[in-house]
Amino acid sequence: RKEVEQDPGPFNVPEGATVAFNCTYSNSASQSFFWYRQDCRKEPKLLMSVYSSGNEDGRFTAQLNRASQYISLLIRDSKLSDSATYLCVVNVRNDYKLSFGAGTTVTVRA
Amino acid sequence: EAEVAQSPRYKITEKSQAVAFWCDPISGHATLYWYRQILGQGPELLVQFQDESVVDDSQLPKDRFSAERLKGVDSTLKIQPAELGDSAMYLCASSPPGRETQYFGPGTRLLVL
Repeated sequence: RKEVEQDPGPFNVPEGATVAFNCTYSNSASQSFFWYRQDCRKEPKLLMSVYSSGNEDGRFTAQLNRASQYISLLIRDSKLSDSATYLCVVNVRNDYKLSFGAGTTVTVRA
Repeated sequence: EAEVAQSPRYKITEKSQAVAFWCDPISGHATLYWYRQILGQGPELLVQFQDESVVDDSQLPKDRFSAERLKGVDSTLKIQPAELGDSAMYLCASSPPGRETQYFGPGTRLLVL
């Protein structure tokens, strides 16, 4: 089983729509979770950390479900500029090494 | 805003040749990472440095790959000899002391012919 697994998508949504996707992780003891964004042929950039209580940053909401070992990302009021690959990132063994999922591709169309 | 620098941005080489990539992390970041990202996959850690010391190189193919960070600042990743399967994006990242957040450089896109 992979340490971090994501639905690759793609999720094709119209502008203004809401899109949500999940990521599962293998180690129930993992403590740190992140979402990174990666544009085509660019480097990953931190989108947001995921806190136990859930957190929101503008149109983006991240949630953690420890019981089912998954994190989620929800994007409201999608913009064309939200088109990207979203990488789920977990510090699986709590040792400052991050494990990356393969990414979920989101395409927002006009 | 401080950034991680990498060079070259693109490299085309023939198999069996040697290639080298350079990374300069954000000033003050003691931890430096080299990742390899194959198209359609997430980045995979090759080597992690804490200052000048290797913390983890368990996924580094040591028969052909080497990495060094002699003065604990910038770092070089070398492949010799390059193979067709080495074609990928090579990403360098750094993180500040005590923090897990990693900041990535623009990457070096390698094509081995």
